[in-house]
Amino acid sequence: NAGVMQNPRHLVRRRGQEARLRCSPMKGHSHVYWYRQLPEEGLKFMVYLQKENIIDESGMPKERFSAEFPKEGPSILRIQQVVRGDSAAYFCASSPLTGESSFYGYTFGSGTRLTVV
Amino acid sequence: AQTVTQSQPEMSVQEAETVTLSCTYDTSESNYYLFWYKQPPSRQMILVIRQEAYKQQNATENRFSVNFQKAAKSFSLKISDSQLGDTAMYFCAFMSGNYGQNFVFGPGTRLSVLP
Repeated sequence: NAGVMQNPRHLVRRRGQEARLRCSPMKGHSHVYWYRQLPEEGLKFMVYLQKENIIDESGMPKERFSAEFPKEGPSILRIQQVVRGDSAAYFCASSPLTGESSFYGYTFGSGTRLTVV
Repeated sequence: AQTVTQSQPEMSVQEAETVTLSCTYDTSESNYYLFWYKQPPSRQMILVIRQEAYKQQNATENRFSVNFQKAAKSFSLKISDSQLGDTAMYFCAFMSGNYGQNFVFGPGTRLSVLP
C-alpha cells in the first residue's frame, strides 16, 4: 500500500499563476481532507471531500481556492492567481470511513510545498 | 469552536532524559479524541499517540505516554529515554467525536534532543 501520495513535492509559481496540487488517497479510502501549514504554524483544515462531493469547506478561503475529488483520479486543490501569502505546505489526508473508525485509518501525505515568487 | 494551545514554542532535552510537552484545549463537547503528531524535517506527519476522551486510562506507546486530565482539559505528552530521532515538531490535535472529520491542531512545540 503506497500510502497517501501527493505531487508535486515542491511547486514554485509566480504571482498571478495557477497552482494545482494533487492527492491520491490510500487504496480503499473514499474521504479526503486538505490542510494548509503556514511557516512555524500548525496545520489548518481547509476542506473535506468524498467522491464527487464537497462535504465541508468551512476552512477554504472564499476566493481563488477550489477543490475537487472526481469519480476517477486524484483529488485536486486549485489556487488561482496565487499571491505571496499562499506560500505554505499543503497536506492531504485520507480515511476509509466516517465516525470513530475514521481516525484509526486517518493517514497524511508528505505535503506539497508551494512557493510563490 | 474548539481551540488547542501549546504554550511551549521550543524545548530541549538531553539524550536519555525525560521531557514533557504541554497541551490544553477548549471544547464544550464530551465525546472527542486527542492526538499527538510528530513532524520531523522531512515534513511527514507521524502519529505518536491517541486518546479517546471516554477512556480514563492514559494511553501509552512504548516510550511515549500521555497525562490526560479531562476536567482540566489538559493533554500532555511525556517522552522517556529521549533519542536523537525524537527531534521534531510536535503537534497536539483535537477531533470532535460528534461532528468531526477534521483535526484542530495546536501551534506546535519544537523539540531538540541534545547528544
